[in-house]
Amino acid sequence: QQQVKQSPQSLIVQKGGISIINCAYENTAFDYFPWYQQFPGKGPALLIAIRPDVSEKKEGRFTISFNKSAKQFSLHIMDSQPGDSATYFCAASEEAAGNKLTFGGGTRVLVKP
Amino acid sequence: IAGITQAPTSQILAAGRRMTLRCTQDMRHNAMYWYRQDLGLGLRLIHYSNTAGTTGKGEVPDGYSVSRANTDDFPLTLASAVPSQTSVYFCASSPDRASYEQYFGPGTRLTVT
Repeated sequence: QQQVKQSPQSLIVQKGGISIINCAYENTAFDYFPWYQQFPGKGPALLIAIRPDVSEKKEGRFTISFNKSAKQFSLHIMDSQPGDSATYFCAASEEAAGNKLTFGGGTRVLVKP
Repeated sequence: IAGITQAPTSQILAAGRRMTLRCTQDMRHNAMYWYRQDLGLGLRLIHYSNTAGTTGKGEVPDGYSVSRANTDDFPLTLASAVPSQTSVYFCASSPDRASYEQYFGPGTRLTVT
């Protein structure tokens, strides 16, 4: 049973549009929620992360929205660009458990020019 | 260039053979991790090491073993490969177990026939 469920599995968006990826988690002890970006043939790299004490974090065109009561968080990519085409993974970790990451299944995003 | 190197880049292996995937980092990070990436399942933790000389089991440890003789190297061994171990394997590191960000290597694509 996946502790972090991610949707959709794939997403096609036009250049300039908004990409939205959603994740839901079960473990209420999770206290760190990062998003990783992975380009083909490369390893994942940290994109943006949030702690549960804030409801939103924005870095450039990337925004995480966090809903603690619903145990859900999402990534919004504003003004999507072809260079954003990649696979995105949400993840969660718990400090008391050594910060080991539990990943969602991934979303492949394709931004069409 | 500082970072994580993995070898080999890809490998085709006959079932029943023994294989060691190599991982080396030059960032002097204490914590290291091995993940496998499968479509739709995201990245799943196989084994981890919080510091040289210690290792721990992750979510999917069966059929794999690791060692951590020094800070820089964290090899992953498949004692007797099976087709279900066909996957892309990523090594990652973080400064210590309290650090939230993990840095990933480029991966090893393994096919077990």
